[in-house]
Amino acid sequence: AQSVAQPEDQVNVAEGNPLTVKCTYSVSGNPYLFWYVQYPNRGLQFLLKYITGDNLVKGSYGFEAEFNKSQTSFHLKKPSALVSDSALYFCAVRDSITSNTGKLIFGQGTTLQVKP
Amino acid sequence: NAGVTQTPKFRILKIGQSMTLQCTQDMNHNYMYWYRQDPGMGLKLIYYSVGAGITDKGEVPNGYNVSRSTTEDFPLRLELAAPSQTSVYFCASSYSRQGGNQPQHFGDGTRLSIL
Repeated sequence: AQSVAQPEDQVNVAEGNPLTVKCTYSVSGNPYLFWYVQYPNRGLQFLLKYITGDNLVKGSYGFEAEFNKSQTSFHLKKPSALVSDSALYFCAVRDSITSNTGKLIFGQGTTLQVKP
Repeated sequence: NAGVTQTPKFRILKIGQSMTLQCTQDMNHNYMYWYRQDPGMGLKLIYYSVGAGITDKGEVPNGYNVSRSTTEDFPLRLELAAPSQTSVYFCASSYSRQGGNQPQHFGDGTRLSIL
């Protein structure tokens, strides 16, 4: 079965420290992977995606993600966290069974708390 | 540049009432989606559409209906509201080229309470 797992409900980091939000996936075929961020009372905003090519993908607001095929992971990273990065983060993978519909399978979300 | 617009933003319904959640997008996207978000559960797909006149069930379609008469609009209807449908509902759209590898664009949601 296709799935996405975000093993941490919450990640706490101090401002200025590096952050990592973890994501692992299970999908048949080549994975198309996405990260989204959700601020309070707002919809999800696209951060970055991996389709093919370099394993390190750069996205919005200084975020990047590393695709690791052998570990089936796609962890979100940022070298130096900001208080304004505090939000709910979702990892998603394209449904490869109905790949021509653009359907996504979402993880349950990880709350990132950056403290001053 | 409006993107995906959802109305209303908030609504309280009584059990058994019906309502329609509106969603419109101005990006000429063929693909549109309805999700519900419950705390700690991520997003669950209710219905989706790959173009005008075409809709299909997602993961949790029971108790809902959709229609897609135009590219821009994708309304979600609740016929007999139940407390289990208390949730935050998000509409999203995406560009249909390149095999579905385009990101989805989300509205700001409708917060619905059934009492």
